[in-house]
Amino acid sequence: GEDVEQSLFLSVREGDSSVINCTYTDSSSTYLYWYKQEPGAGLQLLTYIFSNMDMKQDQRLTVLLNKKDKHLSLRIADTQTGDSAIYFCARGANNLFFGTGTRLTVIP
Amino acid sequence: NAGVTQTPKFRILKIGQSMTLQCTQDMNHNYMYWYRQDPGMGLKLIYYSVGAGITDKGEVPNGYNVSRSTTEDFPLRLELAAPSQTSVYFCASNKEGASTEAFFGQGTRLTVV
Repeated sequence: GEDVEQSLFLSVREGDSSVINCTYTDSSSTYLYWYKQEPGAGLQLLTYIFSNMDMKQDQRLTVLLNKKDKHLSLRIADTQTGDSAIYFCARGANNLFFGTGTRLTVIP
Repeated sequence: NAGVTQTPKFRILKIGQSMTLQCTQDMNHNYMYWYRQDPGMGLKLIYYSVGAGITDKGEVPNGYNVSRSTTEDFPLRLELAAPSQTSVYFCASNKEGASTEAFFGQGTRLTVV
């Protein structure tokens, strides 16, 4: 199976919170990342967390890391239509290994 | 700064043709990467380079070749294009590997017919 897994789709209503989940199998990574990809564009780093942290908050974004369960999540508060994009979880060892991406659709 | 620049943005190839996808970065980054993105499959690493003159295979290197003669440039070569190589290709770079932010190019959409 894939090393980094995500569900493919998520729909939320504007103003609600979005939670995008990611699981991984290799625990050797030092960093875990969330990237955002807008249509027709490359990937842009949103936030990252060190593997020795449990939580990181950055404005509307909250990252939670459960090392025991190898589970990473990204919460977007007050989701806006501009947040519609594909979100990739990635783990970093010598290279970046990406998940399948979750397509977030925000319904006005 | 231009960041990471890829050319071309789009290309259609016939089976068996060859082409080179160009990638250049102006950030003096040591590490450069080539990924392919297929629907529902995320990004798969094709090749990477940790510095000029050094290249290594990633997860899916078959059918591709790379070179890194300068710090700035990391071209990806397809010698005998196959339909399975239809994909979107992204070049990326960062300063010191996975501990630093990776910057991505805009992508090259390649179709092999």
